[in-house]
Amino acid sequence: KNQVEQSPQSLIILEGKNCTLQCNYTVSPFSNLRWYKQDTGRGPVSLTIMTFSENTKSNGRYTATLDADTKQSSLHITASQLSDSASYICVVSGGTGANNLFFGTGTRLTVIP
Amino acid sequence: DTAVSQTPKYLVTQMGNDKSIKCEQNLGHDTMYWYKQDSKKFLKIMFSYNNKELIINETVPNRFSPKSPDKAHLNLHINSLELGDSAVYFCASSRGQRSSYNSPLHFGNGTRLTVT
Repeated sequence: KNQVEQSPQSLIILEGKNCTLQCNYTVSPFSNLRWYKQDTGRGPVSLTIMTFSENTKSNGRYTATLDADTKQSSLHITASQLSDSASYICVVSGGTGANNLFFGTGTRLTVIP
Repeated sequence: DTAVSQTPKYLVTQMGNDKSIKCEQNLGHDTMYWYKQDSKKFLKIMFSYNNKELIINETVPNRFSPKSPDKAHLNLHINSLELGDSAVYFCASSRGQRSSYNSPLHFGNGTRLTVT
């Protein structure tokens, strides 16, 4: 069964600190993995995307890693800011059906001053 | 210049009523989607249309009926609303028939539906 699991479910960190969010998936065949950021009251916005041949991808203070062998990805946020408070959703593209996107349940990050 | 716009943003209605949510995209994308986000923030696909043709129809009650008058619009009509329909509904679009490496989903900002 194609599934995407994220951990932790929620996280609270102090402004300026780093954090890492995890994503494990069982989607097969695998096409790509994308991290989305969803601010409160807004729709998700794409942060990074990686295929199986890409181990790491950065977007400013956000760095995503992918291990296609272990089917794990992480999103590392450096020097967190209050505006990083949001839900971060891991979405894996793949499978063989018409619906090729599998969503994680997200990690709710709260950055406090 | 909102790329994917949905209306209304909030919708409060009583059980048994019929309501519609509208969605428009100005990105020139071929495929549009409706997702439902429950209280646990999980996004679940409901429908997708490619050039006005239905290509994904997940196990959604037939009280939900999508309508695509053209490829820039995908509206969602819900009959006989139930308490369990309360959620945030997101419209999205992408290039091509399926979201791909070069074509992420572009989401609207959601419609929060509350059924009382």
